[in-house]
Amino acid sequence: DAGVIQSPRHEVTEMGQEVTLRCKPISGHNSLFWYRQTMMRGLELLIYFNNNVPIDDSGMPEDRFSAKMPNASFSTLKIQPSEPRDSAVYFCASRSGARGEKLFFGSGTQLSVL
Amino acid sequence: AQTVTQSQPEMSVQEAETVTLSCTYDTSESDYYLFWYKQPPSRQMILVIRQEAYKQQNATENRFSVNFQKAAKSFSLKISDSQLGDAAMYFCAYKRGSSNTGKLIFGQGTTLQVKP
Repeated sequence: DAGVIQSPRHEVTEMGQEVTLRCKPISGHNSLFWYRQTMMRGLELLIYFNNNVPIDDSGMPEDRFSAKMPNASFSTLKIQPSEPRDSAVYFCASRSGARGEKLFFGSGTQLSVL
Repeated sequence: AQTVTQSQPEMSVQEAETVTLSCTYDTSESDYYLFWYKQPPSRQMILVIRQEAYKQQNATENRFSVNFQKAAKSFSLKISDSQLGDAAMYFCAYKRGSSNTGKLIFGQGTTLQVKP
């Protein structure tokens, strides 16, 4: 298995533009997580899905952020409009249904909003 | 709400020596899991070790072991015979065990430097 695949690896955009981050979880995993990592706030959970259904989106900072999981093999995190303070590394992670099973992380998307 | 605290922003160790990274957490749950993740400069998050709260025995993975003190809510990571490749940021994480959809809550991380 190729692991959790995220794209793009790097994204540079201008303030006000729409940004879409993509994630393909590991096949067979039924939970998917989006995390954001910054120096100031560390790793924050933005949202997670179970069986394609959003379970907890309390970490989504603002209405400018939205996430979808149209099927078991694909998820997107969209920021519209983007702002410089959104600059961070965004990680996607997936996990099978077992209780204590570890999270498998993608390589992250480094987002820079100028 | 559960919280995870890593009080050491940076640590350093001499190659081949032993180092211990600290982690404390706060929870009212009795069923949970604790993890240590490693993040090297490549940015990839790698699971180092996992501990089930109901197990009294400390988890061990080769050179990595934990000291799990449930009453004190402490979960430290010991790295023995440190290697240059151990240099990374290390994150302690907590997951409530009562639900298989539970989220992972991370500490702020500790940057480990290994000196040759």
